[in-house]
Amino acid sequence: GENVEQHPSTLSVQEGDSAVIKCTYSDSASNYFPWYKQELGKRPQLIIDIRSNVGEKKDQRIAVTLNKTAKHFSLHITETQPEDSAVYFCAARTGANSKLTFGKGITLSVRP
Amino acid sequence: NAGVTQTPKFRVLKTGQSMTLLCAQDMNHEYMYWYRQDPGMGLRLIHYSVGEGTTAKGEVPDGYNVSRLKKQNFLLGLESAAPSQTSVYFCASSYHSGDTQYFGPGTRLTVL
Repeated sequence: GENVEQHPSTLSVQEGDSAVIKCTYSDSASNYFPWYKQELGKRPQLIIDIRSNVGEKKDQRIAVTLNKTAKHFSLHITETQPEDSAVYFCAARTGANSKLTFGKGITLSVRP
Repeated sequence: NAGVTQTPKFRVLKTGQSMTLLCAQDMNHEYMYWYRQDPGMGLRLIHYSVGEGTTAKGEVPDGYNVSRLKKQNFLLGLESAAPSQTSVYFCASSYHSGDTQYFGPGTRLTVL
């Protein structure tokens, strides 16, 4: 089955700097890659997603890039703010089934 | 429009007791999912359903059973709780497999 990995497990940046979080996946047939944000004590919420027929997608300060050859996708956050501090989960879905496989999550801390 | 709701929010069980967690969604979604979240382990899929009357095993199904008798409800049962089932349980739903998964607020379960 699909295996999704996120490294490192924690990332700390200065407010205003950019943050990049990378995920790798194992199944070349995966075609849908969402990113979820989970604030402390809250539920995970989708922040952006990308499908395999697209290389990049942007939404204001966040963007996601996909490299199908290398089988990795990355979340880019520009002009980070303290409210960006959270756990970020990447996930991948392989074509025919309905399951998402999640990575273990990265804790992003934005220092004021 | 309440989205995805879960009951109860918290529960403490003794080893060997049974309980049922209820998930309800009012978005007319076909797909529903049960995840568990443990520190450092991310979100792991327990069971899922692709429509009313259907269920399927996820990544960590042992010790759990599910039922989807009505489209809007997805029940997760623990027949004989074990301390290893201490976790935060999230329910989610989506219209299609490649669509956004909307999560409930979670249930924190402690098994003593």
